[in-house]
Amino acid sequence: RKEVEQDPGPFNVPEGATVAFNCTYSNSASQSFFWYRQDCRKEPKLLMSVYSSGNEDGRFTAQLNRASQYISLLIRDSKLSDSATYLCVVNLRNNFNKFYFGSGTKLNVKP
Amino acid sequence: EPEVTQTPSHQVTQMGQEVILRCVPISNHLYFYWYRQILGQKVEFLVSFYNNEISEKSEIFDDQFSVERPDGSNFTLKIRSTKLEDSAMYFCASMPGASYEQYFGPGTRLTVT
Repeated sequence: RKEVEQDPGPFNVPEGATVAFNCTYSNSASQSFFWYRQDCRKEPKLLMSVYSSGNEDGRFTAQLNRASQYISLLIRDSKLSDSATYLCVVNLRNNFNKFYFGSGTKLNVKP
Repeated sequence: EPEVTQTPSHQVTQMGQEVILRCVPISNHLYFYWYRQILGQKVEFLVSFYNNEISEKSEIFDDQFSVERPDGSNFTLKIRSTKLEDSAMYFCASMPGASYEQYFGPGTRLTVT
């Protein structure tokens, strides 16, 4: 079973739309959760960490559901520049040494 | 803003040759990582490095791979005898330790012919 699973998409949405992605993780010992953004042939860049209470950064909201072992990312008022692949990343409790990446969800925002 | 740098941006090598990929992590960071991403596939963990030694390595990181931090700034990944299937983008990342947030370099595209 994969450590981290994501719907690969693509999600094709018009500008201004709200879109949500989910990511499930298999290990209940997972402690830290992140969303990264990766543009084509570029490095992953941290979008936001995901806190237990949920957190918001502008148009982006991340939620964590430990009981069901998933995290979500909501993007409101989508911009063309949001087009990218969104990577879910998890880390096990008290372990700085290894991070598990999902395969990513591709988002295409159309004019 | 400090950033992770990697050289070269693109390396072409023949099968069986040795390659060294170089990274300069952010200066006050404590944890260092190498990842690879085969075209169209997910980012895969290779190895983590802390306190001048390997902390953890994946099953991909076999005897053909090694890492070094020779001078306190550079962090290198060596592949001793490259195979065609080593062709991928190799990303270096560093992390301060006060948080779990990793910062990635721009990557080295390795092409093995």
